[in-house]
Amino acid sequence: QSVLTQPPSASGTPGQRVTISCSGSSSNIGTYYVYWYRQLPGTAPKLLIYRNNQRPSGVPDRFSGSKSGTSASLAISGLRSEDEADYYCAAWDDSPSGHYVFGTGTKVTVL
Amino acid sequence: QLQLQESGPGLVKPSETLSLTCTVSGGSMSSSDYYWGWVRQPPGKGLEWIGSIYYIGNTYYNPSLKSRVTISVDTSKNQFSLKVNSVTAADTAVYYCARHEIEGTLAGFDVWGQGTMVTVSS
Repeated sequence: QSVLTQPPSASGTPGQRVTISCSGSSSNIGTYYVYWYRQLPGTAPKLLIYRNNQRPSGVPDRFSGSKSGTSASLAISGLRSEDEADYYCAAWDDSPSGHYVFGTGTKVTVL
Repeated sequence: QLQLQESGPGLVKPSETLSLTCTVSGGSMSSSDYYWGWVRQPPGKGLEWIGSIYYIGNTYYNPSLKSRVTISVDTSKNQFSLKVNSVTAADTAVYYCARHEIEGTLAGFDVWGQGTMVTVSS
């Protein structure tokens, strides 16, 4: 049972902007960096955003991350069919002892 | 470039021990910049972090699995391993190994293996 809560689904038409939320608490998002992963069907996850809003090389600037208080968001602008995937947030959590936690995941559908 | 590959039995009987190995190629595990971790994903469900290990053996474990999990490292073989004791059907999942960046705490997983499916069944 994850302590990082995401909406189960999100959708948009090609070209639209889609935003995914990730809600946590002071022991995780409120204190530590947030990471975002994308998982295409049948493949391993891929790191999409690190340190709340940084993109690894090769990740298009259509993807952007933000954090405010105990919540974070991932925005996908200019939605494309290949963006149809599962998206997970993640963070370090220090309660009760240090551990890493993934969000519940959001399925993005391109209509 | 760095590659990770999981290996181990695809079928484990209930109550037995699940054992997997991750072989790292294209680079050395003996870096102070990374931990090496395991993540699993039950069919149709989300990602669950199992635990991560440093090249000198320091470990972090998911509190919900800690009593049944052991992660070890063999830098001479550039491998790290996962053992899960007393498995049940709930341990059926795709198991991934991945490299875990360090930024004070454990940060993002930046390199992943392809994953291996493990089914718990008699």
